[in-house]
Amino acid sequence: DGGITQSPKYLFRKEGQNVTLSCEQNLNHDAMYWYRQDPGQGLRLIYYSQIVNDFQKGDIAEGYSVSREKKESFPLTVTSAQKNPTAFYLCATRRADTQYFGPGTRLTVL
Amino acid sequence: SQQGEEDPQALSIQEGENATMNCSYKTSINNLQWYRQNSGRGLVHLILIRSNEREKHSGRLRVTLDTSKKSSSLLITASRAADTASYFCATDDSGSARQLTFGSGTQLTVLP
Repeated sequence: DGGITQSPKYLFRKEGQNVTLSCEQNLNHDAMYWYRQDPGQGLRLIYYSQIVNDFQKGDIAEGYSVSREKKESFPLTVTSAQKNPTAFYLCATRRADTQYFGPGTRLTVL
Repeated sequence: SQQGEEDPQALSIQEGENATMNCSYKTSINNLQWYRQNSGRGLVHLILIRSNEREKHSGRLRVTLDTSKKSSSLLITASRAADTASYFCATDDSGSARQLTFGSGTQLTVLP
């Protein structure tokens, strides 16, 4: 987890609300990724960014949005359009072939 | 869709025994990686094996790759209670995104 921080650790959202998950890194890595993990399952890619001011949709981008204004930061917004947002969200950076993960944010919709 | 499928889904062994987990995938890959996840935490990279390699070692870990069968195995020798975690394989197809595609994981429990 070193070098990548995610906040908050736990987040509760009411239906119809947008929420933003923070991901900050001090590893000086260009590429950053957001994944979603559901119980007992692997990770699915939401969005990725290979450089500042550029990002691309992953496999499950609907209902999510991102920005990459700074190299260190890659926030993820879960919008009200995401129908089933309760999950564990993981941010990662990449250097060469290896990805490095943050500690995750657990989002629960009330 | 998920490319990798781990087998078994769950494995319970006694401390000191070896643990073997398998991963199968569907498409051509550049490399295959194994990650570990403790409950409620982020993933930690364990080992990477490239498509032109057949076996790799790192401490108590041994990974094999058979590209003809599109399969890989992770062996943890002399397991410890601290090895209890979920283990995921992830494939890199070397596309422009350098995207990793993860399997659904093997939950390993090492009993003291």
